This record gives sequence, C-alpha cells and structure tokens, in this order.
Amino acid sequence: QKEVEQDPGPLSVPEGAIVSLNCTYSNSAFQYFMWYRQYSRKGPELLMYTYSSGNKEDGRFTAQVDKSSKYISLFIRDSQPSDSATYLCALKRSGGSYIPTFGRGTSLIVHP
Amino acid sequence: NAGVTQTPKFQVLKTGQSMTLQCAQDMNHNSMYWYRQDPGMGLRLIYYSASEGTTDKGEVPNGYNVSRLNKREFSLRLESAAPSQTSVYFCASSGDRALSYEQYFGPGTRLTVT
Repeated sequence: QKEVEQDPGPLSVPEGAIVSLNCTYSNSAFQYFMWYRQYSRKGPELLMYTYSSGNKEDGRFTAQVDKSSKYISLFIRDSQPSDSATYLCALKRSGGSYIPTFGRGTSLIVHP
Repeated sequence: NAGVTQTPKFQVLKTGQSMTLQCAQDMNHNSMYWYRQDPGMGLRLIYYSASEGTTDKGEVPNGYNVSRLNKREFSLRLESAAPSQTSVYFCASSGDRALSYEQYFGPGTRLTVT
C-alpha cells in the first residue's frame, strides 16, 4: 500500500459545480498537507497549505484535513474552465525526512 | 526573479547516448530536487541535495547521477539512456528544510529515448 493514495480520475464536471478532490494516507507522522496545481505541460505550483488538522479557505478553494481518518480534501466552489488541471496532494512529516510524499494527482476537467 | 529554470525543454536521445539536464534557481534556496513524472505514477524523486556539497538518493536513482555545482545549480546526468527513462523531468527547490513546506518547480524537460 502506498503511503498516499489519490484517485487519478479524470474527474469531469460542468462549470459552476462544487468539486471535491481527496487523498488518503497511512502514516500518522504527516503534519504538513499541501495541494499543488499543475496545468498541462507546466510544473506544479503550490495552491494551498495546511498544518495539522482543520480547514483553510482561500477564495473559492478550501483545504480540509481530518487526521483521525487520515483523509485530506480540496474543495473548489463555483468551478471554472480555468480550474482544469491536475491536482496533487503532498504530505510532509514534522521531523525526520523533510522530503514531501506526493499523491499521483487527480486530473480535473471543468467543461463550459 | 526567474525562479527555477531548466534546460533543455525537449530532448530526443537514442538508446545508449548520454546527456545532462541543467537546473538553476535564483531564490537562494538550500535544497534542490530532481523528479520524474510518468502517466499514472505521479512525481517520483530521483535525487535531492539538502545543501551545497551534499546529494542523496531518492526513490528511483538507478541510471542517473547528479552534481550540486554550487548553491544555484543542480544537474542530472543520464550516462547511458534507456527507453525506460522516457519521461518528464522536473527540478525543484525549497528553502530552509526545517521550516519550508513549499517546493518551487521548474517548467520541466520532456525527454524521449528511442
């Protein structure tokens, strides 16, 4: 079992839909939870970052961490065609290795 | 600031040829990384460098070598390319490893080995 599991999709939704992207993980040592967005033929860029549990909101994006279930989510409200991209979760431990562990990424397509 | 730059953007090699992928960052970051990205496999770490003068193996180091030339530059070398090394290669950097959570990625190098 991989440390971080993420459904690769693709996930296809109509414009304006609420999108839910998710990752599950197995190692309780993860304390930092990141979401990267990667447009086609580009490098990943950090979208959201959360430390430990809870929610964080930034405009149309909300990152949620449930450490008891080892489950993290990224919600996109009022999705736009410009949100079409691959979304990668990345998790990092607080001590020891500082290298993040990436999920495989979920491809999102928002059609007009 | 240019951030993280990579050269070349595209490359086609024949099996057995060698090449070096170049990466540079202008953010004064200590740590630098090389990843490969394949369909369905996500980002896999090849090598990383925690600071100038140090390098360590990642998840998939076989067939690759690296050099941390100075604080700015981190190169990846394929000594004898194989078709299995066809991939998109990303270089990344990050700040002080104890505090940093964000990696900054370059635009990638698309490599095809025939």
